[in-house]
Amino acid sequence: DQQVKQNSPSLSVQEGRISILNCDYTNSMFDYFLWYKKYPAEGPTFLISISSIKDKNEDGRFTVFLNKSAKHLSLHIVPSQPGDSAVYFCAASENDYKLSFGAGTTVTVRA
Amino acid sequence: NAGVTQTPKFRVLKTGQSMTLLCAQDMNHEYMYWYRQDPGMGLRLIHYSVGEGTTAKGEVPDGYNVSRLKKQNFLLGLESAAPSQTSVYFCASSYGQYEQFFGPGTRLTVL
Repeated sequence: DQQVKQNSPSLSVQEGRISILNCDYTNSMFDYFLWYKKYPAEGPTFLISISSIKDKNEDGRFTVFLNKSAKHLSLHIVPSQPGDSAVYFCAASENDYKLSFGAGTTVTVRA
Repeated sequence: NAGVTQTPKFRVLKTGQSMTLLCAQDMNHEYMYWYRQDPGMGLRLIHYSVGEGTTAKGEVPDGYNVSRLKKQNFLLGLESAAPSQTSVYFCASSYGQYEQFFGPGTRLTVL
């Protein structure tokens, strides 16, 4: 039973606009959340994370929002660039080192 | 620093054959992991290790064995390959409950 769900398998957005990726989780014990980015034929690379004691974390064009009551987090990319075209994975951990991953969302940024 | 490296990058096996995938990291991380990635499934944890000489089962351990004889290396073995083990395999390492660093992956096809 998948504890981390990314219900949108794909997202297409125009260059310069905002990309919003969503992630839902079912385990209320998750306390640390991460987003990874993956290009074809490469391994995932860490993008941004957030602890459950926060509701927002920013890093340049990337912002992650956490809504614990709704068990929902989102990743905002502003502005979207062609190099952002990739698969994005949401991941969560329960006070330890093991991660549970979502199925991924493929983002395509159109010129 | 090379980070996390995986050997081989590609492999084709026949049903029943055996093989070992090698993962090496040069970041002095205690924790190492093996995942498989299948379409629509995200990354699923096969086995992991919390230090030299230790191993533990993850979410999908059946059909795989692992060993961590040296801190920097984590080996994944398939004793008798099955077509259901056709997948992309990723190794990762971490300090603890922080971001994991991934290798480039091994694409395995079992005929």
